[in-house]
Amino acid sequence: AQSVTQLGSHVSVSEGALVLLRCNYSSSVPPYLFWYVQYPNQGLQLLLKYTSAATLVKGINGFEAEFKKSETSFHLTKPSAHMSDAAEYFCAVSPVRNEKLTFGTGTRLTIIP
Amino acid sequence: DARVTQTPRHKVTEMGQEVTMRCQPILGHNTVFWYRQTMMQGLELLAYFRNRAPLDDSGMPKDRFSAEMPDATLATLKIQPSEPRDSAVYFCASGRGQGAQEKFFGPGTRLTVL
Repeated sequence: AQSVTQLGSHVSVSEGALVLLRCNYSSSVPPYLFWYVQYPNQGLQLLLKYTSAATLVKGINGFEAEFKKSETSFHLTKPSAHMSDAAEYFCAVSPVRNEKLTFGTGTRLTIIP
Repeated sequence: DARVTQTPRHKVTEMGQEVTMRCQPILGHNTVFWYRQTMMQGLELLAYFRNRAPLDDSGMPKDRFSAEMPDATLATLKIQPSEPRDSAVYFCASGRGQGAQEKFFGPGTRLTVL
């Protein structure tokens, strides 16, 4: 079965600093990978997705992620954090042939003014 | 601005009562998903449908949970009887097509079972 592991349930960065949220996947074949963001008391919103095209994927709000097969990783980055980035971020994986999406445990991002 | 809608947004009930949660997927979307979010378990897929047919409900406790799509504009998730351990936020999501389709999530139903 496919799964993702998010390292660090809480990450704090200063405003303007680099954001790095880690995600590693487990799959016998390269899957589709996703990052979602959840703001307080809201549903999840797609940030970006990897679907076996370009390994560097750009998403909304200045976020990007790089698929590294050799490291089985799909880390999320943003060069400069904004206060509005404070939220919970979920990495997710799905098989190529169906829609079943499995989420990681989430990383809560706090931005320090 | 198309959105997934869920009702009710909040529900407080007593143990043993029936709970029905409703979801209206985005018009034209043919896949619907039910997720449950708790602090302990995170986001768990309970069930999903494609073209109103259930494809996978392996994440759902069968003895008390049931999910249906009476028509293309309505999905329901029922719990009977409810238990305190069912307290969670239940999200509905919808999407179009297969594979890497984007899933659009509703705002969730926050269920508290006393």
